[in-house]
Amino acid sequence: DGGITQSPKYLFRKEGQNVTLSCEQNLNHDAMYWYRQDPGQGLRLIYYSQIVNDFQKGDIAEGYSVSREKKESFPLTVTSAQKNPTAFYLCASSIGRHTDTQYFGPGTRLTVL
Amino acid sequence: AQSVAQPEDQVNVAEGNPLTVKCTYSVSGNPYLFWYVQYPNRGLQFLLKYITGDNLVKGSYGFEAEFNKSQTSFHLKKPSALVSDSALYFCAVRGSNSGYALNFGKGTSLLVTP
Repeated sequence: DGGITQSPKYLFRKEGQNVTLSCEQNLNHDAMYWYRQDPGQGLRLIYYSQIVNDFQKGDIAEGYSVSREKKESFPLTVTSAQKNPTAFYLCASSIGRHTDTQYFGPGTRLTVL
Repeated sequence: AQSVAQPEDQVNVAEGNPLTVKCTYSVSGNPYLFWYVQYPNRGLQFLLKYITGDNLVKGSYGFEAEFNKSQTSFHLKKPSALVSDSALYFCAVRGSNSGYALNFGKGTSLLVTP
């Protein structure tokens, strides 16, 4: 899992609540990513950021929001507008070039009660 | 558009036998190909990647992968499987004409039996 930390490991949310997932990296990477993993569907990109104060929507951004105020931090907020938020969320980072490897954090499992 | 296909949901191999996990891709421009492994409730671990050069790429834990441009494939291989290799394997691709994000396959579950 390298120098990428995600917290908490497990998160429980009541319907209608917003929750924020933390992602921090000490690899001095410029680019950071959020993916959602559901059984049998692989990983789907939610948001990514190539530089501080800039981010782009991925394939499934609806119901999610992000910020990138610091190079090392890329928090993801799951809003009440996300209709089916129960999933495993993975954060990744890379140096920022096309050929670079993405390195992943340990993940956060979110369950809606 | 770029995409990855992993045609097998599960691969079963006996310990000591060679293993192959298949991956085919479609991209715009030159392909940059990656293999990751995931153990239960863990993040993805990088195994190997192909960017350019030699078609046979060697990676971590004895794994290797062969890039085949004509067949648009990047199959993962290991000469002798271990029980500890049992995990979920993901192939991913990024095209040189695409953005920075990776496209992942749906994953292949590898089960190595003693």
